[in-house]
Amino acid sequence: GNSVTQMEGPVTLSEEAFLTINCTYTATGYPSLFWYVQYPGEGLQLLLKATKADDKGSNKGFEATYRKETTSFHLEKGSVQVSDSAVYFCALTFNQAGTALIFGKGTTLSVSS
Amino acid sequence: GAVVSQHPSRVICKSGTSVKIECRSLDFQATTMFWYRQFPKQSLMLMATSNEGSKATYEQGVEKDKFLINHASLTLSTLTVTSAHPEDSSFYICSAKGTSDTQYFGPGTRLTVL
Repeated sequence: GNSVTQMEGPVTLSEEAFLTINCTYTATGYPSLFWYVQYPGEGLQLLLKATKADDKGSNKGFEATYRKETTSFHLEKGSVQVSDSAVYFCALTFNQAGTALIFGKGTTLSVSS
Repeated sequence: GAVVSQHPSRVICKSGTSVKIECRSLDFQATTMFWYRQFPKQSLMLMATSNEGSKATYEQGVEKDKFLINHASLTLSTLTVTSAHPEDSSFYICSAKGTSDTQYFGPGTRLTVL
């Protein structure tokens, strides 16, 4: 079946540290991959996406590259800020009508100043 | 970007009453809307998928008679929690999908059943 596995948190970093949150997937076919971010008490916001192998999604200093050979989509940021503290979800879906997202369990990031 | 709204953002109700939550896509037509439930510090659990004008498809273990979903138009879906009980207290989130593969999420509704 299709699934997403992401590293368990919480991840605790100091401001300006380098961030990596690992995400791997299992899928039949060729999914699109996403990172969503959830701030406390809010819904999910799309952070970035990639739709095919070797695509790099980027937004707000975050990046992730769709690696088909390793079935991975790791999230990285060179210098985190306190405002990046949130829960990050890796997810996949297929570009077919009515297909839902399959989420990882989420990784909590806490950045201190 | 695409915007999805939910109303209300918070609701407190007495046990046994019904609560309706609205989900609207504000600037695009949502051919498919999804309803999720999220428990504290956990991931989102898909409850059901609804396509405009069709009956919703519920995930295994989700009671369709308890969680009524209506997707009457391309911009509106509603979730009604019928005869709510304290164990239904949760954070309910909707998402909407148009012609692309990207889902856009609403801000969520915090339901507390006393």
